[in-house]
Amino acid sequence: DAGVTQSPTHLIKTRGQQVTLRCSPISGHKSVSWYQQVLGQGPQFIFQYYEKEERGRGNFPDRFSARQFPNYSSELNVNALLLGDSALYLCASSPQGTGSGNTIYFGEGSWLTVV
Amino acid sequence: AQSVSQHNHHVILSEAASLELGCNYSYGGTVNLFWYVQYPGQHLQLLLKYFSGDPLVKGIKGFEAEFIKSKFSFNLRKPSVQWSDTAEYFCATGTASKLTFGTGTRLQVTL
Repeated sequence: DAGVTQSPTHLIKTRGQQVTLRCSPISGHKSVSWYQQVLGQGPQFIFQYYEKEERGRGNFPDRFSARQFPNYSSELNVNALLLGDSALYLCASSPQGTGSGNTIYFGEGSWLTVV
Repeated sequence: AQSVSQHNHHVILSEAASLELGCNYSYGGTVNLFWYVQYPGQHLQLLLKYFSGDPLVKGIKGFEAEFIKSKFSFNLRKPSVQWSDTAEYFCATGTASKLTFGTGTRLQVTL
């Protein structure tokens, strides 16, 4: 079975531009989460979507937005890019949105470089 | 909010040496704890998890961790490391809704 897939794998953007990152969860998983991993740090939670609704938001500015589609895939959008947005963006999926027993599975990430 | 801290930022070991990576968590009611590994160029993989029950948790690739409530710790151990264990290791807490990660420990295993 395919794991969590993300696209693109690498991209370079200029300050002020906008970027869209895409994620396809594992088949049957209804929850998608997004994390930002800056070099040398652990992943930081950005959003969680379950059944197409936002269920959680981390401490990120409104320039960051996301949505989940009927097929449970998801997009992360970042507007007005700053140099500090350069990071690995990770998508994760889990069968359900909540519950201690659920394990989340990560994709390989999208490397974003802002110049 | 629950959080975890990892005090070892970079660890260098020779092959066959024993490994122990520290992780301390902040108390916040129900404690769910995880160890993830990130091999160079690969995605985060779950090594093991603790939700409740037996405090000694065995994971994949010969790793284990012990939940010690009195010390607020969940240290990762392996009796004998291999060169292929070279990777970044992250302790985390939370649920499928939201995970909070530590800053990570970079493990370098030399031949």
